[in-house]
Amino acid sequence: GAGVSQSPRYKVAKRGQDVALRCDPISGHVSLFWYQQALGQGPEFLTYFQNEAQLDKSGLPSDRFFAERPEGSVSTLKIQRTQQEDSAVYLCASSPRDRRGQETQYFGPGTRLLVL
Amino acid sequence: GENVEQHPSTLSVQEGDSAVIKCTYSDSASNYFPWYKQELGKRPQLIIDIRSNVGEKKDQRIAVTLNKTAKHFSLHITETQPEDSAVYFCAASIGGSSASKIIFGSGTRLSIRP
Repeated sequence: GAGVSQSPRYKVAKRGQDVALRCDPISGHVSLFWYQQALGQGPEFLTYFQNEAQLDKSGLPSDRFFAERPEGSVSTLKIQRTQQEDSAVYLCASSPRDRRGQETQYFGPGTRLLVL
Repeated sequence: GENVEQHPSTLSVQEGDSAVIKCTYSDSASNYFPWYKQELGKRPQLIIDIRSNVGEKKDQRIAVTLNKTAKHFSLHITETQPEDSAVYFCAASIGGSSASKIIFGSGTRLSIRP
């Protein structure tokens, strides 16, 4: 079946511009995660949804970052007033039903954001 | 805060030899430890995972060992092949069995010499 998809794949923004990154999880997956991956680094946790509820947003670096998943499927990560330090690959991952114990996270291809 | 440390950062091995990557974690409640492989410009792909109720798991040429007492776990790749060249990330769950958050190590760039 279809995996996790993200759009756009590449985004160039001018400093100060707002951007919106989209994630389409695997159908039926309850959990959805956003990560930021800087060049040469591991993915850094940003935020986590269980259905439409945002259960953890402790990794969002500032109040310029906002994520939503209003219907419990597609999610959007919005970055307001982008800064050069926001340049990174933004990865989305989804995992199956929630239960006690961990479920495998399946990653999307990422959106490479470059802020000039 | 919680963290996962990974070593080495780069590793070069002769084709056919074994490669070992080691990770340590800080959260004693961690109970899930996945390993991801990421090729240049591609998404991370899960290659193997282990849960805290076992000490070792093997899948063909790949094996993972877990020592909960010492809070470290390792990835072993035997009979390495050129297609094994990639960046490998370890990760550990944070917050116990009811949590879903995982923390990644900083990655190991594995190169296989022909």
